[in-house]
Amino acid sequence: DIVMTQTPLSLSVTPGQPASISCKSSQSLLHSDGKTYLYWYLQKPGQSPQLLIYEVFNRFSGVPDRFSGSGSGTDFTLKISRVEAEDVGVYYCMQSIQLWTFGQGTKVEIK
Amino acid sequence: EVQLVESGGGLVQPGGSLRLSCAASGFTFNSYEMNWVRQAPGKGLEWISYISSSGSIIYHADSVKGRLTISRDNAKNSLYLQMNSLRAEDAAVYYCVRLSSASPGWFDPWGQGTLVTVSS
Repeated sequence: DIVMTQTPLSLSVTPGQPASISCKSSQSLLHSDGKTYLYWYLQKPGQSPQLLIYEVFNRFSGVPDRFSGSGSGTDFTLKISRVEAEDVGVYYCMQSIQLWTFGQGTKVEIK
Repeated sequence: EVQLVESGGGLVQPGGSLRLSCAASGFTFNSYEMNWVRQAPGKGLEWISYISSSGSIIYHADSVKGRLTISRDNAKNSLYLQMNSLRAEDAAVYYCVRLSSASPGWFDPWGQGTLVTVSS
């Protein structure tokens, strides 16, 4: 089974400041088709998860451009360039190269 | 509007059974692969079951294999999760999730979830 490890597990950020979340997979997520099967989701308080980023760096429809994804192989990063109050919640990375597994989640709160 | 609405959650005793349903609307249900993802209280997300668009291919996570079974009825635009021999650790919010048609695909949208409580 592929294990997804996120760091940090919690983050307190001043509005307008950047934030970064790391996600490491126990196996490479690079598929033979050339795509990397890594996604980022945000679960806002009291809501269902919503897709932010697909295939490492592609922003999903309607996602603000302050969110960006990067990385390759087994190491990935989600960055928020300027955190806003509406960005609070728990962020999860997920792999889909071998069934599906999620990271433990990173809770982002506003200072 | 694409919508997934789960139902069937509730309180069940350990060892008991429950059947969750997910009503899909706003898209051609029989063209999409579907999944169940759960979230224990205060915990993270756990994928538990996948079913192909026709229902011919099914995968379950090891944690639920042999006890939870995914199925679908394309004529009714519905997804199901039959839950047997329930344990305390099965208590969670269960989400019905569509796998996008793109390859490799992502989970979107998610239903609002239905809560299963396992307690005597």
